[in-house]
Amino acid sequence: DAGVTQSPTHLIKTRGQQVTLRCSPISGHKSVSWYQQVLGQGPQFIFQYYEKEERGRGNFPDRFSARQFPNYSSELNVNALLLGDSALYLCASSFTTSQANEQFFGPGTRLTVL
Amino acid sequence: ILNVEQSPQSLHVQEGDSTNFTCSFPSSNFYALHWYRWETAKSPEALFVMTLNGDEKKKGRISATLNTKEGYSYLYIKGSQPEDSATYLCENFGNEKLTFGTGTRLTIIP
Repeated sequence: DAGVTQSPTHLIKTRGQQVTLRCSPISGHKSVSWYQQVLGQGPQFIFQYYEKEERGRGNFPDRFSARQFPNYSSELNVNALLLGDSALYLCASSFTTSQANEQFFGPGTRLTVL
Repeated sequence: ILNVEQSPQSLHVQEGDSTNFTCSFPSSNFYALHWYRWETAKSPEALFVMTLNGDEKKKGRISATLNTKEGYSYLYIKGSQPEDSATYLCENFGNEKLTFGTGTRLTIIP
């Protein structure tokens, strides 16, 4: 069985541009969460989606948005990129939104903003 | 404690020795604590999900304990092996917030 997959693996953008990151969860998992990890820090929670609805949101500006599709895959969109958005973006999937469920992470997308 | 803190930040351990490290978190409105192992160039791997005060979980040479009243969890590794070299992260869910610690970077010296 395939694990959580993310695309692209690496991405370089310039300030002000927009970016879309993609995530496919493990088959059967309906919840997808997005995290941002800046070097030297722990991952920061951005969003959680379940059954195509937003179920949780971290402390990120409105430039960050996401959606989940009927097949439970998800996209994270970041508008008006800033240098500080350079980070590793991780996607994780689980069966439900319960935090008592195990989460499975993808390999991440490394975003560099120049 | 207001945030999730892990200590030490990094650790070098001789192969064969045992070691442990700590995750501290706000004790109010606790719901769950996750431990992950994150090897370089790989995805974070789930080790344990802990929800009950006094929980003890074990997977091979690795085990974890949980004290929700005082807000800490310990991760223990017995008889360290080179493949244990990784960053160990804890993630707390409490007060309806998901928060990761900054991790403990473990290096096993052959």
